Amino acid sequence: QQQVKQSPQSLIVQKGGISIINCAYENTAFDYFPWYQQFPGKGPALLIAIRPDVSEKKEGRFTISFNKSAKQFSLHIMDSQPGDSATYFCAASPHTGGGNKLTFGTGTQLKVEL
Amino acid sequence: DTEVTQTPKHLVMGMTNKKSLKCEQHMGHRAMYWYKQKAKKPPELMFVYSYEKLSINESVPSRFSPECPNSSLLNLHLHALQPEDSALYLCASSPRAAFEGGELFFGEGSRLTVL
Repeated sequence: QQQVKQSPQSLIVQKGGISIINCAYENTAFDYFPWYQQFPGKGPALLIAIRPDVSEKKEGRFTISFNKSAKQFSLHIMDSQPGDSATYFCAASPHTGGGNKLTFGTGTQLKVEL
Repeated sequence: DTEVTQTPKHLVMGMTNKKSLKCEQHMGHRAMYWYKQKAKKPPELMFVYSYEKLSINESVPSRFSPECPNSSLLNLHLHALQPEDSALYLCASSPRAAFEGGELFFGEGSRLTVL
């Protein structure tokens, strides 16, 4: 019940295309859903996060779509650029009482080709 | 200043050595974390300090010993490690107490190799 399932494991997108990464969870206590971007040799960096009171959040080229009833959320990267090539992790945690124990997805390696 | 600084960036140690990893943040954050990350895997939580007190230990072997000397510093003392402990060790901090949840800020990590 603590798992966050992430797909696909790897993704190749052409420059200018849309990258879509999907995550699903089971624990209904989760109410904070961040996405982290990690470049090789670097630590994860928070990209964008959403709480279940909204169905979509957009920041620049990055959008999270959230479906509470299906317990799914996804990251859309519009106009994908080679600089977006990185590993993306979705995560989830309870807002309170969980010790801020993020449960991470397994990660998606994104490669954006010219 | 929105950085979490980790030293050293790279560490090679033998199985009988004693070494330490250090982490520092000056953002006034109230919780600090150690994570372990293997290649192509997500980070795994090891320890959480909230208000300088250990609040979570994820059943980590005693050869890893955390220490939080003050609200800005977090250490991870290493002793008698095994080759399978080789990994990227990530420090993170969050503005609120750990039980309150919220955003985590990660450092760049310390790449540990155990020979």
